[in-house]
Amino acid sequence: NAGVTQTPKFRVLKTGQSMTLLCAQDMNHEYMYWYRQDPGMGLRLIHYSVGEGTTAKGEVPDGYNVSRLKKQNFLLGLESAAPSQTSVYFCASSLRLSGANVLTFGAGSRLTVL
Amino acid sequence: AQSVTQPDIHITVSEGASLELRCNYSYGATPYLFWYVQSPGQGLQLLLKYFSGDTLVQGIKGFEAEFKRSQSSFNLRKPSVHWSDAAEYFCAVGLNTNAGKSTFGDGTTLTVKP
Repeated sequence: NAGVTQTPKFRVLKTGQSMTLLCAQDMNHEYMYWYRQDPGMGLRLIHYSVGEGTTAKGEVPDGYNVSRLKKQNFLLGLESAAPSQTSVYFCASSLRLSGANVLTFGAGSRLTVL
Repeated sequence: AQSVTQPDIHITVSEGASLELRCNYSYGATPYLFWYVQSPGQGLQLLLKYFSGDTLVQGIKGFEAEFKRSQSSFNLRKPSVHWSDAAEYFCAVGLNTNAGKSTFGDGTTLTVKP
């Protein structure tokens, strides 16, 4: 099993450019999440999805959009990248909808915005 | 809102020494508690979790954690640290009323001296 796969692993953008990060999971998990990780700030939830065709805002959603057209894929888009969006982005998925929710993470995508 | 505090940003221990990483949470009821580990350049991996029952839980790689309700703590321990344990460790809290979303602490970086 591949688990959770993120592409690309690295990307450099100029301010104002757009891009999409792709997350794919092969575990038939219902729930998927996008987090960003910044030094000294832990992980902060950007958006999440509780099923195909549904998305919801997390803690820091501004400047990002997401789509979940297929159950196994969760896309994170930046329409107009800003230097403040330089970060490491992690996708995660889980089976259960409850607080007893073990997350399976991808290896991360490092984004630099110049 | 719930919160998770990891008071130690960085800890250095000698190989073979014991380890304790601290985690405190703020919430009225007993949440679900997790410890994740992140090796350099990797995603997060679950070490152990506490849902209910025995307050001392065992995890992978020889780690254990103890839930103390009176102290709102869930500290991670290992009797003898190996060089391969050098990583960043995250404590996380999950709630039933939170659509399965987890809140993460800011992380503790562990350095292991030879």
